[in-house]
Parts: sequence; structure tokens; C-alpha cells
Amino acid sequence: KQEVTQIPAALSVPEGENLVLNCSFTDSAIYNLQWFRQDPGKGLTSLLLIQSSQREQTSGRLNASLDKSSGRSTLYIAASQPGDSATYLCAVGGFYGQNFVFGPGTRLSVLP
Amino acid sequence: SQTIHQWPATLVQPVGSPLSLECTVEGTSNPNLYWYRQAAGRGLQLLFYSVGIGQISSEVPQNLSASRPQDRQFILSSKKLLLSDSGFYLCAWSGQSNQPQHFGDGTRLSIL
Repeated sequence: KQEVTQIPAALSVPEGENLVLNCSFTDSAIYNLQWFRQDPGKGLTSLLLIQSSQREQTSGRLNASLDKSSGRSTLYIAASQPGDSATYLCAVGGFYGQNFVFGPGTRLSVLP
Repeated sequence: SQTIHQWPATLVQPVGSPLSLECTVEGTSNPNLYWYRQAAGRGLQLLFYSVGIGQISSEVPQNLSASRPQDRQFILSSKKLLLSDSGFYLCAWSGQSNQPQHFGDGTRLSIL
């Protein structure tokens, strides 16, 4: 059974810092991995999707990497801003990417 | 462009009452559809997913059920709600299985 963990559970940084969020999964036979952000009381916003054959994806200040063999993914946020404050979730897609398993999330606070 | 709608946004129901949450997707055809629950202090849990009309896969045994009466309509139901059914319910869709999931704004369900 796939299990997904995220470290740290919470992170507080000053504005402008570069930061890394970590996601680990126990079963490396994944179809894809997706990073989301969730604002309080809101739904999830998709940030990046990495297919199992890819090693990284980039969108603006965000870069996500995937190391399937070690069961890890990282989300790198460059030059953080207060608007980046949210909970960041990673989700691992299994068979055909349909049965996603989510991590518990990392709650990020970027202080002005 | 594609959009996803969930309603209601909030719902307060007594124990033992029935439930019906609706989710519709616009701007795409034959999407994969998903229902998740996010309980307080816990991660997202996949409840049901559907790859087509009348095709429902259940991930977790419970007193909830899902139906897909139309291509872009996904309904979450219960005949008798339990206190443990409280939580934040999220609907999501994706295109082909290698495409990202997109989430609705969620329904916050409180059971009294």
C-alpha cells in the first residue's frame, strides 16, 4: 500500500528566501506525481505534474523534481513571496494515475 | 476552458439524515472524476473515482456511495449520515490519465 509523507509539516521563512519542500513515497511503481497548493478553506490548485518518465518540471518560480528509485520528490520555490503562503500537497498517482495517494501537506508561511 | 462546480459550499446536517453532493464539469468530455474527503487534521483521502458513465470504483468502504448519471456529473450520496462523515469534500476531474487533476472549491459538511 502506497504511503506518502511530507517534511517538514510546517515551515516559516522570511520573504525572498529560496526553499525546498520534500515528499517521500514508499512504492516506486508510480504513474505520476502532482504538486498542489491549498489555501485555507479552499480547494486545491494544481502546480506541477511530473510523469514517471520525467525527472523535473518547471513553472515560473517553481521547480519540481522526481527520483522514482529513491521514492522522493522535491518542490523548489525561488524567491518566496507572502502570496506563496499556503499548504503544499504532493500526490502520487498509481495505476494509470487514477488512484492518487496524497501526503499530509507542508504548511508554508512566508513572512513579509 | 474547463471548469468544475461543486455545491453546496457548506452544509450542516443532523446525524441520520441523507446526503447528496453534486459536482459538474464543463468544457470537456469523458473526464475522469474523483471524490475526496479531507478530515480535520488529516490528509486527502480518495473515496471514489469514475472513468465513465456508470463506472464507479470505491477506494474506501463506508456508508457513502457515488453515482455518475451523466458524462460530466458526479454525485456523492449517503442514506444515513454519521458523525464521522464530517469533513471537507472535494471533487476533481482529469483528462487522460497522464494529465493533472483539477479540483473544485469543496463542500464543508458538518454533522450535528
